Amino acid sequence: SAVISQKPSRDICQRGTSLTIQCQVDSQVTMMFWYRQQPGQSLTLIATANQGSEATYESGFVIDKFPISRPNLTFSTLTVSNMSPEDSSIYLCSVAGVEAYVPTDTQYFGPGTRLTVL
Amino acid sequence: GEDVEQSLFLSVREGDSSVINCTYTDSSSTYLYWYKQEPGAGLQLLTYIFSNMDMKQDQRLTVLLNKKDKHLSLRIADTQTGDSAIYFCAETPNNAGNMLTFGGGTRLMVKP
Repeated sequence: SAVISQKPSRDICQRGTSLTIQCQVDSQVTMMFWYRQQPGQSLTLIATANQGSEATYESGFVIDKFPISRPNLTFSTLTVSNMSPEDSSIYLCSVAGVEAYVPTDTQYFGPGTRLTVL
Repeated sequence: GEDVEQSLFLSVREGDSSVINCTYTDSSSTYLYWYKQEPGAGLQLLTYIFSNMDMKQDQRLTVLLNKKDKHLSLRIADTQTGDSAIYFCAETPNNAGNMLTFGGGTRLMVKP
């Protein structure tokens, strides 16, 4: 399967600031996604990162708060803007359409970015 | 809408079998997945099953699917301390593109 890396792995930020998280894949993938995992919770999809166009956001998430870029088929960024303590979570990117012999829906996850907002 | 539910916690002794259960509501799901999350890590894909299958075995892992009852289970044989983690089931609702809907996760604790 693809090797997925995220930077930073963790960060502690002050409220009101912004943090950009990077997701890099070692091969071209068709689909990239961003998830949030709040403490002790399951995963919630933030958006689908679309190559060359605006991301598709899920209900409850907006572009002004979580701008996303995807300039090519191997890289995406998620920015958490104007942070508050409620944004403290693990942010994970995932990819799909990686392997030929698994369902195209199958998602593989990066290691996550653990964000703490003070 | 879609809803995927799991029990919160399971404790077993090393060497015993673990069975983690999951129920879902979308009968049109095409694939169902099991992921493992160790502390401080991302999600690791363990296995998946197509909705027209009722069983899949992969080494120590056995997935059972009861489509009529919308019930999915993951059996881990000879459970080891390294199996301690949170296990998530997920479904791909039909006509939802590549979207995954996750259950709340089951924390498996393996006692020596």
